Amino acid sequence: DADVTQTPRNRITKTGKRIMLECSQTKGHDRMYWYRQDPGLGLQLIYYSFDVKDINKGEISDGYSVSRQAQAKFSLSLESAIPNQTALYFCATSDSVGASYNEQFFGPGTRLTVL
Amino acid sequence: QQPVQSPQAVILREGEDAVINCSSSKALYSVHWYRQKHGEAPVFLMILLKGGEQKGHDKISASFNEKKQQSSLYLTASQLSYSGTYFCGASFSGYALNFGKGTSLLVTP
Repeated sequence: DADVTQTPRNRITKTGKRIMLECSQTKGHDRMYWYRQDPGLGLQLIYYSFDVKDINKGEISDGYSVSRQAQAKFSLSLESAIPNQTALYFCATSDSVGASYNEQFFGPGTRLTVL
Repeated sequence: QQPVQSPQAVILREGEDAVINCSSSKALYSVHWYRQKHGEAPVFLMILLKGGEQKGHDKISASFNEKKQQSSLYLTASQLSYSGTYFCGASFSGYALNFGKGTSLLVTP
């Protein structure tokens, strides 16, 4: 089984709808991240969480919110989706032990289309 | 604070070498390198820390010039499997990463 899972894998929604993307991990990592990827723009950090009570905004948090329900679960919500939020969304995790040295492990991604 | 990668794209023949660069205008704490194949998630290659420590795959090498705030990824004797998009991620405080726009690498037979 995959260590970092994302649901759904693909989603088509309409402008104005609320949508939630979910991320779960079995790696036992404290740190979790949400990124957005647009063609030619790389990975942009939306939010990150270093433990259940610690949530931080990334570069492009406007229009998004997150919830860290448990150490293993980190959800991303679009309160009112708009077409320019159409993108590929990745969740990632990393361990806090020896944090400077620790790579991020990415989920398979969720492709979101907002019509 | 997005780091700048160069070149944007490179095409190699199998067996040739390539260098991908990552520059920052802000002092770097560490640099991460990832490779993403089409339709897949990014995969970790290497971390370089301020002070010279490194962690990564044996077959990948990289450097970190603290004075210039630059890192370079060296791909030697390229193989077809090296094809993909390479991203550097810059950490300024030891916390979250800011990724560059990526360098597309195509290795041809």
